[in-house]
Amino acid sequence: EVQLVESGGGLVQPGGSLRLSCEGSGFGFRHYAIHWVRQAPGKGLEYVSTISSAGNFTNYANSVKGRFSISRDNSKNTVFLQMGSVRPEDGALYYCVRMSGSHFDLWGQGTVVTVSS
Amino acid sequence: QSALTQPHSVSGSPGQSVTVSCTGSSSDVGGYNWVSWYQQHPGKAPKLVIYDVNRRPSGVPDRFSGSKSGNTASLIISGLQAEDEADYYCCSYTATYTLVFGPGTKVTVL
Repeated sequence: EVQLVESGGGLVQPGGSLRLSCEGSGFGFRHYAIHWVRQAPGKGLEYVSTISSAGNFTNYANSVKGRFSISRDNSKNTVFLQMGSVRPEDGALYYCVRMSGSHFDLWGQGTVVTVSS
Repeated sequence: QSALTQPHSVSGSPGQSVTVSCTGSSSDVGGYNWVSWYQQHPGKAPKLVIYDVNRRPSGVPDRFSGSKSGNTASLIISGLQAEDEADYYCCSYTATYTLVFGPGTKVTVL
């Protein structure tokens, strides 16, 4: 089955760190750019970060730049999102998404990050 | 604050057509033909319904179509059906090599 499965979400204190993982299966994972998109409760979708297929290009939304870091291990079909200096507004459902050309064609089910002391 | 604007909600009766607009700038919607639309039902992950302004993925009904004029893209749902009731988000590539989503539009089937 072609899928993306996120993990690593949970409760984190403001200022803390958390690492999210996204494992792909059923397709040529190393050939695709992968993105993180988040959705706060009751809110819309927000682009977070991008990593190219080979991992040599990354990009971030201004809201997380300097605090989050994206990386990948194609030998394990996994992308990571290292979250640091976490803020209450980072609390959301984090989706891992495959990009095909110009659009997101495969979404995971998401992992929930809750920021609270 | 999203760089793209969408109406908060639109509604229509079954069988009617509705249009959801997505307005940006020359740095995103107007500058690229990389506009996509996503449908999201409550509690579900988003699903791609239109990409590259007006292309439809396989499996998406042909009542979904897209267009663009200047800095505004549009999603048109013709022959509205009950299962089309959902939130719809536009998304555009930007001049800063990122992507941006619109705030979303709730489509209600009366």
